[in-house]
Amino acid sequence: QVQLEESGGGVVQPGRSLRLSCVGSGYTFSSYAMHWVRQAPGKGLEWVAVISYDGSDKYYADSVKGRFTISRDNSKITLYLQMNGLRTEDTAVYYCARPLRYFETYNFDYWGQGTLVTVSS
Amino acid sequence: QSALTQPRSVSGSPGQSVTISCTGTSSDVGGYNYVSWYQQHPGKAPKFMIYDVSQRPSGVPDRFSASKSGNTASLTISGLQPEDEADYYCCSYAGSYTWVFGGGTKLTVL
Repeated sequence: QVQLEESGGGVVQPGRSLRLSCVGSGYTFSSYAMHWVRQAPGKGLEWVAVISYDGSDKYYADSVKGRFTISRDNSKITLYLQMNGLRTEDTAVYYCARPLRYFETYNFDYWGQGTLVTVSS
Repeated sequence: QSALTQPRSVSGSPGQSVTISCTGTSSDVGGYNYVSWYQQHPGKAPKFMIYDVSQRPSGVPDRFSASKSGNTASLTISGLQPEDEADYYCCSYAGSYTWVFGGGTKLTVL
């Protein structure tokens, strides 16, 4: 069955960096685009970034553009989110999510369990 | 990329029906048939409930239905059950490979 497992969260000081990972198994990882979605404590969901199946196209929410970089290594069935210049408002649970269809980017049918990033001095 | 507007909370008794609205603009909800809905229980990851405005994935009870009119999408849950108590989020494609979520609605089953 499809499984997504995030890791890499933790406590980090403002201005520092952190890299999140998401391993996708139970399906052909290399055929699907992938997304990152985050949720601040007690708040709603916020879309963060998407990457195409082969890593050639990447798009970001305005709130993270220029600071975060999404990437993937299909040989390792792993999605990444490199987060630089972290701010307190980046504190959130970060989820990776898979689109419903391999040839599209819409509709997130599978989600990981999330990894918590806390930005605090 | 402003969040879609959802009511903060709705409630209903077991067996009743409730509808959650999700209002956006012609640049997101009104412009594309890529509205999806997610259910989230406390401390859990979101669960995929509706896609392409009104389609139900396999395994989702047919008590859950959805539609769209203009810039507003709606999720209706009929025959409310205690396990339906959760937060619900709408999401829409917003063009240029960006997506926007609603602020979330807390459903209380009385």
